[in-house]
Amino acid sequence: DAGVTQSPTHLIKTRGQHVTLRCSPISGHKSVSWYQQVLGQGPQFIFQYYEKEERGRGNFPDRFSARQFPNYSSELNVNALLLGDSALYLCASSLVPGFGTYEQYFGPGTRLTVT
Amino acid sequence: GEDVEQSLFLSVREGDSSVINCTYTDSSSTYLYWYKQEPGAGLQLLTYIFSNMDMKQDQRLTVLLNKKDKHLSLRIADTQTGDSAIYFCAERPGSSNTGKLIFGQGTTLQVKP
Repeated sequence: DAGVTQSPTHLIKTRGQHVTLRCSPISGHKSVSWYQQVLGQGPQFIFQYYEKEERGRGNFPDRFSARQFPNYSSELNVNALLLGDSALYLCASSLVPGFGTYEQYFGPGTRLTVT
Repeated sequence: GEDVEQSLFLSVREGDSSVINCTYTDSSSTYLYWYKQEPGAGLQLLTYIFSNMDMKQDQRLTVLLNKKDKHLSLRIADTQTGDSAIYFCAERPGSSNTGKLIFGQGTTLQVKP
């Protein structure tokens, strides 16, 4: 079975631009979470989606938004990019949020560089 | 509050045991996790422990949980050069029914041959 896939692998954008990152969860998983990992730090929770609805949101500005599609894949959108948005963006999939052992499986990430 | 802290760096010799420590603040945390991240890669789930357990063993990995002190450790037996990576401790807050995990800043494990 394929694991969590993310695209693109790397991305370079200019300040003020907009970016869309994509994620496909493990087959059978219905929940997708997004994390931001700045260099040298641990991942920070941005969003979680389950059954196409937002189930949780971290402490990020409204420039960050996301959605989940009927096939459970997800997009993370960031508007008006700032230099500080440069990071590795990780997607994680799980069966059901907040239930049981709640194992989250991470994709390889998208490395975003804002210049 | 929700906070997870780890020491930043650990260096061991190949064949020795490694112990990576973590402290957390949320006493209602239900599950605690250990993830491994190799350079340029995503996070690999290594193991987890439920908060009502005090130990879990999985092959070369042993997780110890001291709930009173909110202290978690990961012991890697017979450490190999392939174990060199960054190890993250994460907690799932008990107050959350979402996917939110709180991660520490990671411990870099260096294994010398």
